[in-house]
Amino acid sequence: AQRVTQPEKLLSVFKGAPVELKCNYSYSGSPELFWYVQYSRQRLQLLLRHISRESIKGFTADLNKGETSFHLKKPFAQEEDSAMYYCALKGGGGNKLTFGTGTQLKVEL
Amino acid sequence: GAVVSQHPSRVICKSGTSVKIECRSLDFQATTMFWYRQFPKQSLMLMATSNEGSKATYEQGVEKDKFLINHASLTLSTLTVTSAHPEDSSFYICSARDGGPGELFFGEGSRLTVL
Repeated sequence: AQRVTQPEKLLSVFKGAPVELKCNYSYSGSPELFWYVQYSRQRLQLLLRHISRESIKGFTADLNKGETSFHLKKPFAQEEDSAMYYCALKGGGGNKLTFGTGTQLKVEL
Repeated sequence: GAVVSQHPSRVICKSGTSVKIECRSLDFQATTMFWYRQFPKQSLMLMATSNEGSKATYEQGVEKDKFLINHASLTLSTLTVTSAHPEDSSFYICSARDGGPGELFFGEGSRLTVL
């Protein structure tokens, strides 16, 4: 069975501080991992995916197969980064996504 | 980008009635749509995979007769909550993929409250 774990329900940082949102996964095959973001009163949207190896809005995430992690990082938090962040894993048949429980990021001034 | 629209965004119904939620892909065709359920402050739980022209594939523990899914066209999937009860109150979200392994786009969600 596949599983995604986000240990922190809430992460509060000051503006300009580094951010790391943790995500660990459990999957027997070769995983494809994503970070989704949900801003207040908006729909869920894709932030980035590991296969793209891209930086979106200053965020990056590296897949570490040894540690089965896909932590989301940003060197300097901005107020507009405050949102709910979900780590997700695509695996198994049907291209299903399994989501973690989410981490609420709050960037304080 | 592609847009997925859900309707209604909010619905309140009496216990025992049935409620239909629509999910439309507005500018692309989706052979597969996904229905999720989200409880307050919890993650999205996949309920079922909706396949155009065929039966939906339900996740373990999801009652097929309770949550009827119909995917009659390439742009529309519907979720009907039959004989709704207060415990069915939740946020229901659909998503669709814009072709193949492409990005998954989400609807804005539908909040169901069963009195």
